[in-house]
Amino acid sequence: GENVEQHPSTLSVQEGDSAVIKCTYSDSASNYFPWYKQELGKGPQLIIDIRSNVGEKKDQRIAVTLNKTAKHFSLHITETQPEDSAVYFCAANRAGAGSYQLTFGKGTKLSVIP
Amino acid sequence: NAGVTQTPKFQVLKTGQSMTLQCAQDMNHNSMYWYRQDPGMGLRLIYYSASEGTTDKGEVPNGYNVSRLNKREFSLRLESAAPSQTSVYFCASSVGPGSGFASEKLFFGSGTQLSVL
Repeated sequence: GENVEQHPSTLSVQEGDSAVIKCTYSDSASNYFPWYKQELGKGPQLIIDIRSNVGEKKDQRIAVTLNKTAKHFSLHITETQPEDSAVYFCAANRAGAGSYQLTFGKGTKLSVIP
Repeated sequence: NAGVTQTPKFQVLKTGQSMTLQCAQDMNHNSMYWYRQDPGMGLRLIYYSASEGTTDKGEVPNGYNVSRLNKREFSLRLESAAPSQTSVYFCASSVGPGSGFASEKLFFGSGTQLSVL
């Protein structure tokens, strides 16, 4: 089955700096890579996703890049703000395989220091 | 729209007690899921229901049972709670198969924090 590794497990940045979270996956058939953000006391929420037919996707201060050859993908947050403090999860799946086959990384706790 | 609603939010059990976690969604989604979240372990799938009338085991089903009561509701039951089941439990839903890429997005509830003493 799929295995997703996520690094780092914790990350502290100064407000205004950039943050990068990296994930690797093992199944070369995976082609759907979502990122979820979990704020304290809440459930995870999808913030961005990418499919393997593109190498990069941006949404305001958030971007995700994908390297299919190396089987890794990354989340980039620019101009970090205190409200970006949360736990972030990457995940991988084969599009159309069903969300029950989604494999999550173990999460990264991001702290943005004002 | 409330989205995905879980009850209770907190629960303390003694070893051997039973309880049912309730979940309901108002988005007319076909698929529903139960996950547990433990420190350093990420999110692990316990059971899922791809559509009304079906349920299947996920990665960590031992010690749990589920019921898809109707399209809206999906409950998780612990028959004889054990300390190893101390965790935060999340219910989630998605549009479901056959809906293209829209089916992939998971919508999560706010979680149930369960402690088994």
